[in-house]
Amino acid sequence: GAGVSQTPSNKVTEKGKYVELRCDPISGHTALYWYRQSLGQGPEFLIYFQGTGAADDSGLPNDRFFAVRPEGSVSTLKIQRTERGDSAVYLCASSQDRDGGYTFGSGTRLTVV
Amino acid sequence: AQKITQTQPGMFVQEKEAVTLDCTYDTSDPSYGLFWYKQPSSGEMIFLIYQGSYDQQNATEGRYSLNFQKARKSANLVISASQLGDSAMYFCAMREYASGYSTLTFGKGTMLLVSP
Repeated sequence: GAGVSQTPSNKVTEKGKYVELRCDPISGHTALYWYRQSLGQGPEFLIYFQGTGAADDSGLPNDRFFAVRPEGSVSTLKIQRTERGDSAVYLCASSQDRDGGYTFGSGTRLTVV
Repeated sequence: AQKITQTQPGMFVQEKEAVTLDCTYDTSDPSYGLFWYKQPSSGEMIFLIYQGSYDQQNATEGRYSLNFQKARKSANLVISASQLGDSAMYFCAMREYASGYSTLTFGKGTMLLVSP
């Protein structure tokens, strides 16, 4: 597609539930990044994929968070046993290669009630 | 220590005036890049301008210019002739290349409000 697509744009879930957030990068972009942006803060790095593999997952806050990119294109960020503190905007970005410029999606606003 | 510091939570400017948004950074990596992004209320991050650590000249992109002072580790964004549509959050970010990571580290942002 022309840009990075993230779905859903908004997600409200109850505490303790499981959620999946999807990112569809620009076609041909090998690098994909997930960031989390809490209210009033800048985006914080979560995980970076180069192709199908997670090259750097040092930003994942705990083992409730997991992400996959099985075919090197679409990625899914999965959050188990959601907590109210997980409420944030989750941003996805892709780039042509490791050092290329980022293109961001519009984000998924997750609200845990 | 924070890698990117933006000390201005909010800035006000009148339409057609110039405004400078401050950014200082901290790195020991000799090869790095500095970025500015705009985030309107719609939420997407829009790339504005890039400065590489080895670039000899300050970057410019239309009404945006980057005042890069390497010795002071500052990379201020200058917006000339502000427009109402410039009202948004602005984030400074850094990428450190020698570490092998390609991730961006962001500051906390500055909210810019442009008044008529």
